[in-house]
Amino acid sequence: GAVVSQHPSRVICKSGTSVKIECRSLDFQATTMFWYRQFPKKSLMLMATSNEGSKATYEQGVEKDKFLINHASLTLSTLTVTSAHPEDSSFYICSASLGLAGVYEQFFGPGTRLTVL
Amino acid sequence: GQQLNQSPQSMFIQEGEDVSMNCTSSSIFNTWLWYKQDPGEGPVLLIALYKAGELTSNGRLTAQFGITRKDSFLNISASIPSDVGIYFCAGRSETGTASKLTFGTGTRLQVTL
Repeated sequence: GAVVSQHPSRVICKSGTSVKIECRSLDFQATTMFWYRQFPKKSLMLMATSNEGSKATYEQGVEKDKFLINHASLTLSTLTVTSAHPEDSSFYICSASLGLAGVYEQFFGPGTRLTVL
Repeated sequence: GQQLNQSPQSMFIQEGEDVSMNCTSSSIFNTWLWYKQDPGEGPVLLIALYKAGELTSNGRLTAQFGITRKDSFLNISASIPSDVGIYFCAGRSETGTASKLTFGTGTRLQVTL
């Protein structure tokens, strides 16, 4: 149980284009989903927290107009990198949490590697 | 953002050896978690600790929640080649909600035969 998928697993795009990454909880309903960014040989840095049906909460320094997050259902959250540039190249990982009393742990997706040319 | 300090940063060990790594913070956390990340994959939860002083095992892994709530350690006994990867600690300061985690800087483990 508690499987989280991401699509695509890797994407290469041209500078200036927008890229959408999907995060799905496959066997549970996730009230909260998180988006992280990870640079090579670095730790995970939280970008934003999204709750189903409400606006995402972004961490300091993360541009909400650059990284659009939509959590339209209890099993799907999307991250759209708008007008991507080479510095946006990174490994993006989502996680999902049940958010039920006593069951708060985050289960992570396999990640999406974005390369912007 | 804030990060937790992990040590060692990396380690090379021989198969069969025991491994110990720790994680320290300048602030208190109410939950400590240990994750393992393989190259190109997302982190996988190994152990979760919810009470100060708690000692929890998961197979060859043992982790403890420090009494001060500012540190935690992870031990791996009798290491095997598949233990290779990056180990991250993570802390959560809020209780009762699916609140955000703060991740450690990571410990890269390499096991030689």
